Amino acid sequence: SQELEQSPQSLIVQEGKNLTINCTSSKTLYGLYWYKQKYGEGLIFLMMLQKGGEEKSHEKITAKLDEKKQQSSLHITASQPSHAGIYLCGADIGSSNTGKLIFGQGTTLQVKP
Amino acid sequence: ETGVTQSPTHLIKTRGQQVTLRCSSQSGHNTVSWYQQALGQGPQFIFQYYREEENGRGNFPPRFSGLQFPNYSSELNVNALELDDSALYLCASRPSGLAGGTQYFGPGTRLTVL
Repeated sequence: SQELEQSPQSLIVQEGKNLTINCTSSKTLYGLYWYKQKYGEGLIFLMMLQKGGEEKSHEKITAKLDEKKQQSSLHITASQPSHAGIYLCGADIGSSNTGKLIFGQGTTLQVKP
Repeated sequence: ETGVTQSPTHLIKTRGQQVTLRCSSQSGHNTVSWYQQALGQGPQFIFQYYREEENGRGNFPPRFSGLQFPNYSSELNVNALELDDSALYLCASRPSGLAGGTQYFGPGTRLTVL
């Protein structure tokens, strides 16, 4: 079955620094989602990528899906304490936009003021 | 705020009991999925409901069951609770149909089984 591996598992950065979180699959990704979660709370949708080479940005967060659609990265520029949380990548099971997602284990981000 | 609501927020049960969790989907969303998130893990897909029918199930036993109502709200029922069922249960809704867009998550229900 398809699995998603996120790296790193945790990250501590100084406020103002840039950082990157990676999400890798052994199979082609159809519909790659990035979510943010505060501890014990629901998931907040960040971005969805579907096409190889696609890149999307929102405020200081940029997500990319590589050409082979097996890896995605999430990049935060000039991090702020408000960026702290758990970042999760999720992908559709199978080969279509079903909404039945598998998730990586999450990357916990701490931003030191 | 996503417009997806869940109740209750927290719940404590003992092993062997049964529990019902509820989810109200965002307006216009007719597809609801349920996920289980154990501590320190990513969410795991339990099942999805589309127009009141189960539309796919993850690797969960039959004691996990669900319902979707005509207004697209949904319930997750778990029978014969086990200690390992302690987790955050998340529901997510998405718009119009099986190939609809992004799904939005509710705040979750924290279930503790003692």
